[in-house]
Amino acid sequence: DGGITQSPKYLFRKEGQNVTLSCEQNLNHDAMYWYRQDPGQGLRLIYYSQIVNDFQKGDIAEGYSVSREKKESFPLTVTSAQKNPTAFYLCASSMGAAGLSTGELFFGEGSRLTVL
Amino acid sequence: GDSVTQMEGPVTLSEEACLTINCTYTATGYPSLFWYVQYPGEGLQLLLKATKADDKGSNKGFEATYRKETTSFHLEKGSVQVSDSAVYFCALLMDTGRRALTFGSGTRLQVQP
Repeated sequence: DGGITQSPKYLFRKEGQNVTLSCEQNLNHDAMYWYRQDPGQGLRLIYYSQIVNDFQKGDIAEGYSVSREKKESFPLTVTSAQKNPTAFYLCASSMGAAGLSTGELFFGEGSRLTVL
Repeated sequence: GDSVTQMEGPVTLSEEACLTINCTYTATGYPSLFWYVQYPGEGLQLLLKATKADDKGSNKGFEATYRKETTSFHLEKGSVQVSDSAVYFCALLMDTGRRALTFGSGTRLQVQP
């Protein structure tokens, strides 16, 4: 089945460690996104990519990094510079700049990161 | 910058009650407006959308009308079911500039039998 797969679903990290969240899609979508979800704050955009080898910062990019070496993959690294990394992370994709005009994002099931 | 404001939850209703979840937006241009829904343990999925003023989006018994004069996009349903219990997010997409959705804070709906 086509869709977006995020892994791991749950992740625990010690302070000072970097961690990478995986996001893979087999929808042949051009655009991919990372959002952070916190209680009472909704979804905030971390990074997005409209095409392979290109990505842009969102509203809360500090302390995060991404890469887009393949169309189907958009991993997110939460670095030790991120001051409050405990959150629920959602990856999404859409057909791209043209397809995004429909506003339809396809979301994964999310990864919950807890810093101990 | 562009933003979306939603009513705080949780909203608790009995089955078959009427639902309204308020959403207002601030934008410099002419956004498209969306409602997404997140069921427990799942990612978000698109519920409905409207791309211009006075458009009405509808799906699964839910409706929302794009009101430019009040910059609003309130979500309504005439008779809710227990299965509608979820978190609802209002979002906007500008026609120029950043090609990514801006979401509101979400409103949790709890429907009791």
